[in-house]
Amino acid sequence: EVQLVESGGGLVQPGGSLRLSCAASGFTVSSNYMNWVRRAPGKGLEWVSVLYISGNTYYADSVKGRFTISRDYSKNTLYLQMNSLRVEDTAVYYCVKEGSGHYPGWFDPWGQGTLVTVSS
Amino acid sequence: DIQMTQSPSSLSASVGDRVTITCRASQSIISYLNWYQEKPGKAPKLLIYAASSVQSGVPSRFSGSGSGTDFTLTISSLQPEDLATYYCQQSYTIPLTFGGGTKVEIK
Repeated sequence: EVQLVESGGGLVQPGGSLRLSCAASGFTVSSNYMNWVRRAPGKGLEWVSVLYISGNTYYADSVKGRFTISRDYSKNTLYLQMNSLRVEDTAVYYCVKEGSGHYPGWFDPWGQGTLVTVSS
Repeated sequence: DIQMTQSPSSLSASVGDRVTITCRASQSIISYLNWYQEKPGKAPKLLIYAASSVQSGVPSRFSGSGSGTDFTLTISSLQPEDLATYYCQQSYTIPLTFGGGTKVEIK
C-alpha cells in the first residue's frame, strides 16, 4: 500500500526553524515527483514546493529562499526545511506524491498532514 | 501565475440533487486540471485527474469535464457523505495553483 506519514510539526516562534519529514512506503521517493502542499487555517490549499526525480526543485514565491525540499534515499523520506518562519506560514503541511501520465501533476496519495504553528 | 477561479464558493443541496461546480483558469491549461475533495479533519483526496479521468475507487456519481479554460465537476446524485469542500488544481505550469474551494452542504 502506498502511504505517506508526515512528522516534525509543532509550535515555533517567528524567525525560528523546523524540519518536516515525510516517510514513504509502498513506493520509492527518489523515483517520483514529490511535493509539499499546505492549508492555512480558514484558507484554501497552497502548493509549496516540488522535488523532481532529476533533483531539480521549485518553490512558491511565498517560501522561496526560506524553505528547502530534499530527500534521503536510504530512508525513503522527503523533507522540508523551513527557516525564517513567519506567522503566515502557520498551516497544516501535507506531503504528496505527484501522478504521472499524459497530463501529470495530480496529487495522490496525501499524507495525514502535520500542523505548524508560528506564534510568539 | 495561472489563477483558478471556482464557483460557487458554497452551495447547499438536497440528497439526490445534481450538483455542478465550475472552475475557470486565467489561461488555457489544456486538460491539466484536477479535482480534490476535502472532508472536515481529513486530508484532501483526489477525485478527478486530467479533467475527466476518475481516480480508482471514486464513486461513479463523480465526473469531470472541460478543456482549455473552463472545467466542471459534477456530482450526479448528491449523498450525505459528499459533505466537503472541493478544490480544482491546475498542473499545467509551476507554480501549481488551486481554486479557492467550493463548500458543499446538505440541506
